[in-house]
Amino acid sequence: QKEVEQDPGPLSVPEGAIVSLNCTYSNSAFQYFMWYRQYSRKGPELLMYTYSSGNKEDGRFTAQVDKSSKYISLFIRDSQPSDSATYLCAMKGNTGFQKLVFGTGTRLLVSP
Amino acid sequence: DVKVTQSSRYLVKRTGEKVFLECVQDMDHENMFWYRQDPGLGLRLIYFSYDVKMKEKGDIPEGYSVSREKKERFSLILESASTNQTSMYLCASRPGHMYNEQFFGPGTRLTVL
Repeated sequence: QKEVEQDPGPLSVPEGAIVSLNCTYSNSAFQYFMWYRQYSRKGPELLMYTYSSGNKEDGRFTAQVDKSSKYISLFIRDSQPSDSATYLCAMKGNTGFQKLVFGTGTRLLVSP
Repeated sequence: DVKVTQSSRYLVKRTGEKVFLECVQDMDHENMFWYRQDPGLGLRLIYFSYDVKMKEKGDIPEGYSVSREKKERFSLILESASTNQTSMYLCASRPGHMYNEQFFGPGTRLTVL
């Protein structure tokens, strides 16, 4: 079993829809949770990160962490064609040198 | 803005060739990473470096080596390229181990024939 599981998609939605992207994980030591966005033929860029449980909002994006269920989500409101990309979740612990553990990424397609 | 650059966007090599992939970051970051990205497998860590001349194996180091002689430069070496090393290679850096954000380069698409 992978440490981090993520549905690869593709997830196709019409413009304006609310999008929900999710990851599950198995390592209870993870404390930092991140979402990276990767456009085609580009490197990933950090979109949002949260520490421990709770919600964080940034414009149309909301990141949610439920540590009791080992489940994280990224919600995109009023989705735009420019949101079409691959979204990767990533997480790490907080002791010593910690590498990021990535999900496989979910490809999102927002049609006009 | 942090900038991570990779020497080539696309590279085609033949089986058995020695391949060098170069990565340079301009923000004096301590940690640097090499990943490969394959469909369905996501990002897999090949090697990383704490600091200059320091290197550690990641999850899939077989067939690769690295070099970090200067802080800003981290090189990935394929000693004898094989077709199963055809992949997208991504370099990343971060200020230090207490930081969460990694900054990625644009990637090198390597094809081994």
